[in-house]
Amino acid sequence: DAKTTQPTSMDCAEGRAANLPCNHSTISGNEYVYWYRQIHSQGPQYIIHGLKNNETNEMASLIITEDRKSSTLILPHATLRDTAVYYCIVRLNRMDSSYKLIFGSGTRLLVRP
Amino acid sequence: GAGVSQSPSNKVTEKGKDVELRCDPISGHTALYWYRQRLGQGLEFLIYFQGNSAPDKSGLPSDRFSAERTGESVSTLTIQRTQQEDSAVYLCASSLNRQLIFNYGYTFGSGTRLTVV
Repeated sequence: DAKTTQPTSMDCAEGRAANLPCNHSTISGNEYVYWYRQIHSQGPQYIIHGLKNNETNEMASLIITEDRKSSTLILPHATLRDTAVYYCIVRLNRMDSSYKLIFGSGTRLLVRP
Repeated sequence: GAGVSQSPSNKVTEKGKDVELRCDPISGHTALYWYRQRLGQGLEFLIYFQGNSAPDKSGLPSDRFSAERTGESVSTLTIQRTQQEDSAVYLCASSLNRQLIFNYGYTFGSGTRLTVV
């Protein structure tokens, strides 16, 4: 099963871009990269996912390197409410299509006023 | 409902007692997942339901843990003879069928905080 490596913690200033890196060097060709975040005392929230191409939605952008061994989640204008633990996850593919997500320890992002 | 609902939100129980945790997924979501999150740690997968059957129970930590789902809707996670190490937040998530999960991911509930004293 592919695993991910993320920094334990990061911080950024409010209004600036937050760039959260993730390494997934053992990812296989048909595995997607998912990002979730967990704000204190809440369940995780889906942010974005991608396979090969860069993706953007109303919450964030996802940049995946050409070799797919790493990716970066970009919050273009971080706000105090973006303070959370961010999880980078590679989705497992099984014959029974369970689509289980394996959460690592994530990156604790602190947005400073 | 509009989101995934879990009850109770908090549960304190004495060691050795049985507890039942309930999850009401989003209406129409055929896939349902239970995860456990110990204090300060990441999420541990427990079990996955597709409809009322559980093709993946690989994360259940012991035979004291069981789960069922009925009517392709409500799921109950039961912990028998609770131990202090069972103290954690138990999170439930649901998703649309496995084709549409590509676009929508999971929706999590807010969890049940279980404290075994």
